Amino acid sequence: NAGVMQNPRHLVRRRGQEARLRCSPMKGHSHVYWYRQLPEEGLKFMVYLQKENIIDESGMPKERFSAEFPKEGPSILRIQQVVRGDSAAYFCASSPLGSEQYFGPGTRLTVT
Amino acid sequence: GQQVMQIPQYQHVQEGEDFTTYCNSSTTLSNIQWYKQRPGGHPVFLIQLVKSGEVKKQKRLTFQFGEAKKNSSLHITATQTTDVGTYFCAGYTGTASKLTFGTGTRLQVTL
Repeated sequence: NAGVMQNPRHLVRRRGQEARLRCSPMKGHSHVYWYRQLPEEGLKFMVYLQKENIIDESGMPKERFSAEFPKEGPSILRIQQVVRGDSAAYFCASSPLGSEQYFGPGTRLTVT
Repeated sequence: GQQVMQIPQYQHVQEGEDFTTYCNSSTTLSNIQWYKQRPGGHPVFLIQLVKSGEVKKQKRLTFQFGEAKKNSSLHITATQTTDVGTYFCAGYTGTASKLTFGTGTRLQVTL
C-alpha cells in the first residue's frame, strides 16, 4: 500500500507566478488535509477536504490560495501570484476516518 | 481559538539520558495524538490517546493523557541518537474537523 504521495518535491517559482502542489492520498483514504510549515516552526493547518467537498478552510489565506479534491485525481493546492512569504514546506496528510493522519513527504516551495 | 503549547521548545541531551516533553491545550481535547518529524522529513504518527488518564507505552516511549484531557506528556527513557527529531502533540476538540498541532519540542541527542 503506497503512502501519501506529493509532487513535486521541490518547486521554484518567481514572484507573481502560480504554484500547483499535488497530493495523492493513501488508497482508501477519503480525507485530505494541507499544512504549511516554515523552517524551525510547527505545522499550520490550512484546509481539510473530502472528495469534491471543502470541509474546513479556516486556515487558508483569503486571497490567492485555493484547494480542491476532485472525484478523480489528486488533491491540488493552488497558490496564485506567489510572493516570497509563501516560501515554505507544504505537507499533505490523509486519513481514513478523520483520525490519525498519514503525511506525504512534502513540497518545498521556494519563491525567488 | 484553540492553542496547543509544548515545553520545552528545545532540549539537548546526552545519549542514555531521559527526555520528557509536555503538551498543554487551552481547551479540552477529545483525543491527543503524537507525531515525530526527523530533520528534513515529514511528520510520522506515533500514537493516539483517547481516555482520560490513559497511559500507553511503545518500547522506550511512554505517553500520558491528563485527567482533564487538556494536557499530555511523552517520556523517552534512555535516549538514543535515533530519537533525534521534533515531537509534536496534536488534538481534536469535540466535533472540530481539524487537528491542531502543538508548537513542537526539538530533541537533540549527542554521544
